[in-house]
Amino acid sequence: KQEVTQIPAALSVPEGENLVLNCSFTDSAIYNLQWFRQDPGKGLTSLLLIQSSQREQTSGRLNASLDKSSGRSTLYIAASQPGDSATYLCAVTQGGSEKLVFGKGTKLTVNP
Amino acid sequence: DTGVSQDPRHKITKRGQNVTFRCDPISEHNRLYWYRQTLGQGPEFLTYFQNEAQLEKSRLLSDRFSAERPKGSFSTLEIQRTEQGDSAMYLCASSRTSGRIGEQFFGPGTRLTVL
Repeated sequence: KQEVTQIPAALSVPEGENLVLNCSFTDSAIYNLQWFRQDPGKGLTSLLLIQSSQREQTSGRLNASLDKSSGRSTLYIAASQPGDSATYLCAVTQGGSEKLVFGKGTKLTVNP
Repeated sequence: DTGVSQDPRHKITKRGQNVTFRCDPISEHNRLYWYRQTLGQGPEFLTYFQNEAQLEKSRLLSDRFSAERPKGSFSTLEIQRTEQGDSAMYLCASSRTSGRIGEQFFGPGTRLTVL
């Protein structure tokens, strides 16, 4: 059974800092890995999708990497801003199933 | 693109009542998913459709839960005889099967409170 873990559970940083969020998964036979942002009481916003054949994806100040063999992904946020404060969720799909398996998320607070 | 929409956004009901939620996916997406999220947890998969066919169901989807997508467009999720443990955010997502395959886009969710 696939399990996804995100460390740390919460992170507080000053504005302008570069930061890394971690995601690990127990079964390396994944199809896709997707990073999401969730604001309190809201739905999920897709940030980046990495397909299994890819090593990384970039969007603006965000960069996500994938190392399937070690079962890890990282989300790098450059020059953090207070508006980046949210919970960041990592999720994976595996071959033969379309369901996303989620971690519990990392709650990020960027202080002005 | 118009995003995924869900209705209602909030629902308060008494234990034992039936509730129904609606999801409208992004128009060209033929896959539709339902998830449930409780406080402090990541979303958990419930079921998914490709067009009108329900292709996968979680064990979380007890006999009291039923989902439909009759014409391959919008979907409904019904919970019969609600219990307090059903209180959660119910999230709908959609994706396409061509182009950027597999990227799921989520709606704003329906928050259910069972009293």
